[in-house]
Amino acid sequence: QQPVQSPQAVILREGEDAVINCSSSKALYSVHWYRQKHGEAPVFLMILLKGGEQKGHEKISASFNEKKQQSSLYLTASQLSYSGTYFCGTSNFGNEKLTFGTGTRLTIIP
Amino acid sequence: DSGVTQTPKHLITATGQRVTLRCSPRSGDLSVYWYQQSLDQGLQFLIQYYNGEERAKGNILERFSAQQFPDLHSELNLSSLELGDSALYFCASSVGSGMTEAFFGQGTRLTVV
Repeated sequence: QQPVQSPQAVILREGEDAVINCSSSKALYSVHWYRQKHGEAPVFLMILLKGGEQKGHEKISASFNEKKQQSSLYLTASQLSYSGTYFCGTSNFGNEKLTFGTGTRLTIIP
Repeated sequence: DSGVTQTPKHLITATGQRVTLRCSPRSGDLSVYWYQQSLDQGLQFLIQYYNGEERAKGNILERFSAQQFPDLHSELNLSSLELGDSALYFCASSVGSGMTEAFFGQGTRLTVV
């Protein structure tokens, strides 16, 4: 079951904050976040494995709410380099297969 | 550079043909994953191999097959190609079999004409 990401696209000015959501209709075991710039390969951001876990990566952090079966990616004080498409990948208990959402296209303008 | 090497970078072929995409994982990585990404689409998981054995299967068509060799490189074979198979095919590798960071290659862009 493919996770649902929202919003599909967002345009921000440099310095603004963004939240990208990823939700699943099935119980989640893990959530993986990747960023893909146009014409490039996806690049790993972080993995969240436990319910309620929160992780940070510079000004990019994420939370994982196991009960709500969703994860959110937070981008604080966005920089031009944050532009790209963000994908969440989810796995379910007993199944290592990672299923990616359709992505959220983030555009940062000066 | 992720350390994952995919060849060729571009491939143009006619409908009905068969092609082989090759992937060399990062040194030390045992898992190889194959993904298909169509224009403006997400990453569709095709198949995963771990240390030579098939570990997980996604929505991979019967016309597609893959294998991982003893030296851990992997090949994705696509046969009886259709126009709709045109896409970017990514290979990724990771140390473990699932819950670890995956490193993606630059992809092979397949165009079926």
